[in-house]
Amino acid sequence: DAKTTQPPSMDCAEGRAANLPCNHSTISGNEYVYWYRQIHSQGPQYIIHGLKNNETNEMASLIITEDRKSSTLILPHATLRDTAVYYCIVRSPSGNTPLVFGKGTRLSVIA
Amino acid sequence: EAGVAQSPRYKIIEKRQSVAFWCNPISGHATLYWYQQILGQGPKLLIQFQNNGVVDDSQLPKDRFSAERLKGVDSTLKIQPAKLEDSAVYLCASSPAGGYEKLFFGSGTQLSVL
Repeated sequence: DAKTTQPPSMDCAEGRAANLPCNHSTISGNEYVYWYRQIHSQGPQYIIHGLKNNETNEMASLIITEDRKSSTLILPHATLRDTAVYYCIVRSPSGNTPLVFGKGTRLSVIA
Repeated sequence: EAGVAQSPRYKIIEKRQSVAFWCNPISGHATLYWYQQILGQGPKLLIQFQNNGVVDDSQLPKDRFSAERLKGVDSTLKIQPAKLEDSAVYLCASSPAGGYEKLFFGSGTQLSVL
């Protein structure tokens, strides 16, 4: 079972920041937080991951709370192409742990 | 670099027929995954290979599903016989190894069982 809780859907105006929350209150000390997204008719695409520090790459920023029980994915300037289902996943780096997906958040970017 | 290739893109069959899906992972990737995604849900892991050995097949319905990865490269997933509830998108993914590395997904095969 997925170890995360996300809102089922969110809307965001084009050009504004999209802030997608995720709760992972049972996260263990060595588990990472991963974000993937799935655009319609495509496979999931990796966005970003982090352990406890905030992370930023060319796609997004990841803010993890100090107690690590929740995180927020930030798309700084959402475009229509960012419309997708966003999955927050907690994953152990040890062994061959697979990704366990929940239902994610369906983000709709509106013009 | 080339991504994960899957074929066919779409498949329509009648219940009780058999079907096979093919996956070619990114060159050099040791780990290969098959996921099943039912409409409206997140992908669910069916089987995970490390090179040509099975790491996890605990959620594979072994009475009808089988998968192999010959020579640690390409993989095939077979369903025989298919049921109506097997209608889903079957996604293949690969990663350089296990652990914390990111997965690369193909576009999937959409299966409709009538």
